[in-house]
Amino acid sequence: EDKVVQSPLSLVVHEGDTVTLNCSYEVTNFRSLLWYKQEKKAPTFLFMLTSSGIEKKSGRLSSILDKKELFSILNITATQTGDSAVYLCAVLMNRDDKIIFGKGTRLHILP
Amino acid sequence: EPEVTQTPSHQVTQMGQEVILRCVPISNHLYFYWYRQILGQKVEFLVSFYNNEISEKSEIFDDQFSVERPDGSNFTLKIRSTKLEDSAMYFCASSSRTGNYGYTFGSGTRLTVV
Repeated sequence: EDKVVQSPLSLVVHEGDTVTLNCSYEVTNFRSLLWYKQEKKAPTFLFMLTSSGIEKKSGRLSSILDKKELFSILNITATQTGDSAVYLCAVLMNRDDKIIFGKGTRLHILP
Repeated sequence: EPEVTQTPSHQVTQMGQEVILRCVPISNHLYFYWYRQILGQKVEFLVSFYNNEISEKSEIFDDQFSVERPDGSNFTLKIRSTKLEDSAMYFCASSSRTGNYGYTFGSGTRLTVV
């Protein structure tokens, strides 16, 4: 069965801290790994990772994929209260573009 | 920036009633999807749609569910006889399947079955 496992499920840190969110996967027909941020409603796209070892960056967020170990991390440096959200890791399947989501990491940033 | 639009944002319906959730995908996208998220649970794939037919569906997508693209812009999800356990947030998404970008999700329809 295809699965995406995220850890931790919940994380509380203080503003300014750096956090690392983890995602492991076991899927057939892997195409890409996706990270989304979900605040109130729809997931908003952060990163799409297809190749191993290439870091993607967007401001204080960065992510990298290890296709050998079937693992990805999402780093957020100098966290701000606006980073509080659920961060979803997902795998985009090669066949039919189906996405398998993890349960998410609920991140809460204390002021 | 192009958006996927969903209506209504919230729908309350009685058990056993039919509901239609509406979505307007991004205009040049060819692949369309429905996902749902039961409160407190993960986002789950329901169905994918391409070239006017279902390309894949999950176990959740049983005979009570159907999808349609009635015209060139709308993409609908119909639930024929709603059950309490259908209460969830339903997300529509579309994809062009090209470029270095994932799907675009709509803002969702919260369906409450009472």
